[in-house]
Amino acid sequence: GQNIDQPTEMTATEGAIVQINCTYQTSGFNGLFWYQQHAGEAPTFLSYNVLDGLEEKGRFSSFLSRSKGYSYLLLKELQMKDSASYLCAVPGSSNTGKLIFGQGTTLQVKP
Amino acid sequence: GAGVSQSPSNKVTEKGKDVELRCDPISGHTALYWYRQSLGQGLEFLIYFQGNSAPDKSGLPSDRFSAERTGGSVSTLTIQRTQQEDSAVYLCASSRSGTRYNEQFFGPGTRLTVL
Repeated sequence: GQNIDQPTEMTATEGAIVQINCTYQTSGFNGLFWYQQHAGEAPTFLSYNVLDGLEEKGRFSSFLSRSKGYSYLLLKELQMKDSASYLCAVPGSSNTGKLIFGQGTTLQVKP
Repeated sequence: GAGVSQSPSNKVTEKGKDVELRCDPISGHTALYWYRQSLGQGLEFLIYFQGNSAPDKSGLPSDRFSAERTGGSVSTLTIQRTQQEDSAVYLCASSRSGTRYNEQFFGPGTRLTVL
């Protein structure tokens, strides 16, 4: 089966850098997704990693280590609008595209 | 439409009543998913549609839950004889095809409250 762990809450300061970690255990590996979800809104896609390493996309970067079952999302130059939940997810074992999500990390950015 | 839409946005019902939740996916997306997000919990998969067929219903929590999809487009999730533990946000997502690599686009959800 699949299991995903991520911290429940984090707090950071505007302008700073924050790293949100995600560890996973899967029976097979087919990539890892990060989604952002503002309170009361739909989750929106941030990144998909299937190979080891860091992928940068503007202020957001995502890292993957398949050997360690570990990923992180790096947010630079934090802005107040980055206050949201960040969801780590992996595809389920069947080839249907269904996603298995972690609990999500609620990030609060303070001035 | 530009994105996935869901209706109603909020639904309050009494225990024991039936409810229907609707999802309009992005036009042309063959794959459609329903998830449930309970307070303080992660998103929980319920059911997957490819076209009008549901090859994966493994996440439906009980036989009170059912879903259908018609015309390869609109989907309806029905909960019969609602219970208080059914209170949650029900999210629908669609993607171009049901593979492991495709980004899923989510709707804003229906917040269901069972009194």
